[in-house]
Amino acid sequence: QQQVKQSPQSLIVQKGGISIINCAYENTAFDYFPWYQQFPGKGPALLIAIRPDVSEKKEGRFTISFNKSAKQFSLHIMDSQPGDSATYFCAASMQTGANNLFFGTGTRLTVIP
Amino acid sequence: DSGVTQTPKHLITATGQRVTLRCSPRSGDLSVYWYQQSLDQGLQFLIQYYNGEERAKGNILERFSAQQFPDLHSELNLSSLELGDSALYFCASSPRVAAGELFFGEGSRLTVL
Repeated sequence: QQQVKQSPQSLIVQKGGISIINCAYENTAFDYFPWYQQFPGKGPALLIAIRPDVSEKKEGRFTISFNKSAKQFSLHIMDSQPGDSATYFCAASMQTGANNLFFGTGTRLTVIP
Repeated sequence: DSGVTQTPKHLITATGQRVTLRCSPRSGDLSVYWYQQSLDQGLQFLIQYYNGEERAKGNILERFSAQQFPDLHSELNLSSLELGDSALYFCASSPRVAAGELFFGEGSRLTVL
């Protein structure tokens, strides 16, 4: 059972365009929603994270939008660059209780020059 | 460099065999997580240890076991290996028991022939 559903599976964007990746969850006990970035041959690394008390968080070109009522959150990459080409994972966890981080299935982003 | 060290980086073995994967967490991190990454299933949580004790269990097969030692390094033991166990196995560490930011190693790629 996939706790966090992610789409699309792959995404091709032109340089300078906006990349959008969507995730949905069911467990309302989740209270921490990070995004991880993984380059080939490397482990995932935290990119940006949000808690449900805010609807948006921005760090540079990366923005998380969070819709608590719809149980959805998304990653927007503005002015996408070829160096952003990687696999992106959304995730969710509970800060109390169960301690594991549930990951989405990943989105392979390719930014074309 | 995340500070998490995993060995070996690559491992090729035969069905029915047993292997041990090793993880050294970041200095000071008490939590260690193990994840399995396969092409079709993304990152699947296996197990978490905190300061030597098992804290959370995911979809870990009975053929797999793990432990965390007093020096905080962890080992994942995989036995009676099957072709389907071929995957990337990631270790991640965190300073806290709750799944906040996880720092991932570069993974151990297991190939079962």
